[in-house]
Amino acid sequence: KQEVTQIPAALSVPEGENLVLNCSFTDSAIYNLQWFRQDPGKGLTSLLLIQSSQREQTSGRLNASLDKSSGRSTLYIAASQPGDSATYLCAVKPVTQGAQKLVFGQGTRLTINP
Amino acid sequence: DTEVTQTPKHLVMGMTNKKSLKCEQHMGHRAMYWYKQKAKKPPELMFVYSYEKLSINESVPSRFSPECPNSSLLNLHLHALQPEDSALYLCASSQTTSGQETQYFGPGTRLLVL
Repeated sequence: KQEVTQIPAALSVPEGENLVLNCSFTDSAIYNLQWFRQDPGKGLTSLLLIQSSQREQTSGRLNASLDKSSGRSTLYIAASQPGDSATYLCAVKPVTQGAQKLVFGQGTRLTINP
Repeated sequence: DTEVTQTPKHLVMGMTNKKSLKCEQHMGHRAMYWYKQKAKKPPELMFVYSYEKLSINESVPSRFSPECPNSSLLNLHLHALQPEDSALYLCASSQTTSGQETQYFGPGTRLLVL
């Protein structure tokens, strides 16, 4: 059964720093991996989707990488801003559990201090 | 337009009440999902509809009854809920249930069962 782990569970950094969030998964048979952002009490906003054949995706100050063979993904945030404060969730779509399911990590709660 | 809308935003109900949550999308997506999210936990899949037919029920108690009246609309009927059912209920949609597609999430309905 696919399991997704995110480290660290919480992270607090000063504004302007570059930072990396980590995601690992136990089964490399995935269709894709997706990074989401969730503000308190709100829905999920999709940030980046990396297909299994891709190595990375970029959007603005965000860059996500995928190393399927080692079961790892990282989300790099450049020049962090207070508005980046949120919980970041990583989710994979496992091949073995059908294309309809997303398996989520527990999330990293990020705080950017002004 | 990549928007999934959910109503109501907040709902308080007693254990003997009957209520419904509504989800709507106008992106032409043929797959729709219900997730349940407890505080500080990742979303958990409840139901998947594909082409208006129920394709996944994750062993959800019968007090939750999903309905997909048409390709744009998804309902979740609630009856005789328990206080532990209090959570954020998220709806999502995708073009189909194909492995490579992303899911778009709504803002959620925050449910409190008294």
